[in-house]
Amino acid sequence: EDQVTQSPEALRLQEGESSSLNCSYTVSGLRGLFWYRQDPGKGPEFLFTLYSAGEEKEKERLKATLTKKESFLHITAPKPEDSATYLCAVWGGGADGLTFGKGTHLIIQP
Amino acid sequence: SQTIHQWPATLVQPVGSPLSLECTVEGTSNPNLYWYRQAAGRGLQLLFYSIGIDQISSEVPQNLSASRPQDRQFILSSKKLLLSDSGFYLCAWSSGMGNTIYFGEGSWLTVV
Repeated sequence: EDQVTQSPEALRLQEGESSSLNCSYTVSGLRGLFWYRQDPGKGPEFLFTLYSAGEEKEKERLKATLTKKESFLHITAPKPEDSATYLCAVWGGGADGLTFGKGTHLIIQP
Repeated sequence: SQTIHQWPATLVQPVGSPLSLECTVEGTSNPNLYWYRQAAGRGLQLLFYSIGIDQISSEVPQNLSASRPQDRQFILSSKKLLLSDSGFYLCAWSSGMGNTIYFGEGSWLTVV
């Protein structure tokens, strides 16, 4: 059974204070790792897909990286509008789609 | 471009009443469709997925059911709601197995 564990559960940063969110996964054969952003009361919004160890992707202040056991979402010089819950998900090849972690609730204080 | 619409956005229903949540996808054909439920502290739970018309797979036993009467329409139903059915329900689609899943805006259900 695929498993995804995200840490920390919650993170409070000052504006401009860089940090990283962690996503550890257990899957028999990783076919893809996905990052989403979710604002309160909204559906998750797709950010990145990573397919193989060593791969990196960037979007504005966010950079996602992937190893054989975990993924990191690095946030550089965050702004208050980056406050959201960030979800990680993996696909191990099953027909039922992605397995999601519980998310990291990120708060950026001005 | 592809869009996904889900309604109603919020509803309050009494225990024992029926439920119908609807979802449609535009701009694509033969999508995989999904219903998820999101509860506080429990993450996203896959309820149903469908790879084609009238092809529904259930992930968890419950008093909910799903139907796909048309290629881009997915419906979540219940004949009698329970208090435990309260939550945030999300419809989603992907272009194929393992591809990126895109979510709708969600429906808040409160059973009273």
